[in-house]
Amino acid sequence: EAQVTQNPRYLITVTGKKLTVTCSQNMNHEYMSWYRQDPGLGLRQIYYSMNVEVTDKGDVPEGYKVSRKEKRNFPLILESPSPNQTSLYFCASRSRTGESNQPQHFGDGTRLSIL
Amino acid sequence: DAKTTQPTSMDCAEGRAANLPCNHSTISGNEYVYWYRQIHSQGPQYIIHGLKNNETNEMASLIITEDRKSSTLILPHATLRDTAVYYCIVRVVGGAGKSTFGDGTTLTVKP
Repeated sequence: EAQVTQNPRYLITVTGKKLTVTCSQNMNHEYMSWYRQDPGLGLRQIYYSMNVEVTDKGDVPEGYKVSRKEKRNFPLILESPSPNQTSLYFCASRSRTGESNQPQHFGDGTRLSIL
Repeated sequence: DAKTTQPTSMDCAEGRAANLPCNHSTISGNEYVYWYRQIHSQGPQYIIHGLKNNETNEMASLIITEDRKSSTLILPHATLRDTAVYYCIVRVVGGAGKSTFGDGTTLTVKP
């Protein structure tokens, strides 16, 4: 089954303790992206990657890092999490075949609480 | 990417057609219109997309005006399970990976 898998689904942690949210897709998609969703602010893009070793900032990259060493994986790293990063996070992927007319496939989300 | 404007909320009676409008008056000629929906806090789900022609699939129809400045997503026979937040976004063909979602329209389907 084609899917985007995020782990963990839920995490409660403390300020300053480094954490990584993993994202993996099995569709051989070139493009992957991370979003955060906060009440009243909709979905905001954090980082995206057009292919292996190619990443770029979205609208709200501060406080986050990403890497794309393999095509299927796109982890989101919070080196020193702070309470304002408490949010619902989504990973997405899409094919670049035919460029931008391919839709994004989203994971089920990761709910992070930073105390 | 062009900015989109959608009504904050809409209601629809079960079994009736739900027509969700989206304004994208600054859309460029090479930008597609996409619709996604999000049920509760699940991951957004792709519905349909189009460039300038009207499109239909098993989920919905997309009507794009001739000047492409607005579009309407039509759910022909809304059910209670169609209650969700619906997002209209535009994205340029062959462009960079930036993708901007607005606040969407909360559609409530009522019995």
